[in-house]
Amino acid sequence: DGGITQSPKYLFRKEGQNVTLSCEQNLNHDAMYWYRQDPGQGLRLIYYSQIVNDFQKGDIAEGYSVSREKKESFPLTVTSAQKNPTAFYLCASTAALQEGNTEAFFGQGTRLTVV
Amino acid sequence: GDSVTQMEGPVTLSEEAFLTINCTYTATGYPSLFWYVQYPGEGLQLLLKATKADDKGSNKGFEATYRKETTSFHLEKGSVQVSDSAVYFCALMHYNQGGKLIFGQGTELSVKP
Repeated sequence: DGGITQSPKYLFRKEGQNVTLSCEQNLNHDAMYWYRQDPGQGLRLIYYSQIVNDFQKGDIAEGYSVSREKKESFPLTVTSAQKNPTAFYLCASTAALQEGNTEAFFGQGTRLTVV
Repeated sequence: GDSVTQMEGPVTLSEEAFLTINCTYTATGYPSLFWYVQYPGEGLQLLLKATKADDKGSNKGFEATYRKETTSFHLEKGSVQVSDSAVYFCALMHYNQGGKLIFGQGTELSVKP
């Protein structure tokens, strides 16, 4: 079945550590996105990529980094510069964007906790 | 910039009650509008969408109509079930601006038997 796979489901980070969240899709989608969800808030965009080897900052990119070396993969690194990383992280993808064809598919999320 | 505002939750209803979750938006141009649903501990699932004014999206008994004149996309269901308990997110997207979704804060729905 086609879909988006995020791993791990739960992740614990010590102070000062970098951690990488995995996102893989087999939908052959061009665009991929990372969102952060905090309790009682909507999702906020961290980074997005419309094509391989290119990506753009979203609204809350500080303390995060990404790469897009392959069409199917868009890993997110939470660096030690991110002061409040505890949150639920969601990866999404869309097919080639065109009017009337704008559905985003989401992974199951990774819950990151600082310990 | 663009924004989405949803009614605050939690919303608690009895089974078979009528549901309305209000959503209004501020945006330039003609965005696509969406309702996503999130069950505990899971990612988001698309519930329904509308891509132009006066379109009605519908799925699983839920409906929402894209009202350009009132900049609204209210979610309705005639008879809710316990299994509808979840968090509902209203969102907008401009397909020609990278496909970035702008979300409301979410509305938690709890349906009691």
